[in-house]
Amino acid sequence: AQSVTQLGSHVSVSEGALVLLRCNYSSSVPPYLFWYVQYPNQGLQLLLKYTTGATLVKGINGFEAEFKKSETSFHLTKPSAHMSDAAEYFCAVTTHGDSNYQLIWGAGTKLIIKP
Amino acid sequence: DVKVTQSSRYLVKRTGEKVFLECVQDMDHENMFWYRQDPGLGLRLIYFSYDVKMKEKGDIPEGYSVSREKKERFSLILESASTNQTSMYLCASSPLSNTQYFGPGTRLTVL
Repeated sequence: AQSVTQLGSHVSVSEGALVLLRCNYSSSVPPYLFWYVQYPNQGLQLLLKYTTGATLVKGINGFEAEFKKSETSFHLTKPSAHMSDAAEYFCAVTTHGDSNYQLIWGAGTKLIIKP
Repeated sequence: DVKVTQSSRYLVKRTGEKVFLECVQDMDHENMFWYRQDPGLGLRLIYFSYDVKMKEKGDIPEGYSVSREKKERFSLILESASTNQTSMYLCASSPLSNTQYFGPGTRLTVL
């Protein structure tokens, strides 16, 4: 069965510092991987996704993530945090050929930006 | 741009009331989903639908039902609302791929 683990329910960084949000997954077949962001009192918005091809994926708002098969990881990074990045971030996985197109979700990580 | 709309942003209902949450998407997507979101629990799938009149139970279907009479509309029904159904409800749709597009959410309070 697939699963997603996000390390840290809360991550706090200073404005201008590196953002690193961790996501590990388990899947017996090649995965599709996603990062979504949720701003307060809003729905979720797709940040980036990995399907096939290049393992370093660039998304919106300066975020990127790298698929590392050997580590079963898909960590999200941003070189320099901005106050507007304060939000909750969700990692999700599904597999190629999953006809139901369901996503398996991590529990989320709240990113706090300190001035 | 994909647009997913939900009928209410905030809703307050009383215990025992029948509650309808409506979701409409304008991109002719085949798949639609209802989630509930609670602090510390992430997103939990209630029901999803992969075609008109088709539905599948998710992880927590108890106390809920759904209806999809038209492709663009997916309704979540709480037959008899209870206080433990106070939550944020999120609707999503996706084409025949894996990317899901979300509505703004409905924050439901059951008193």
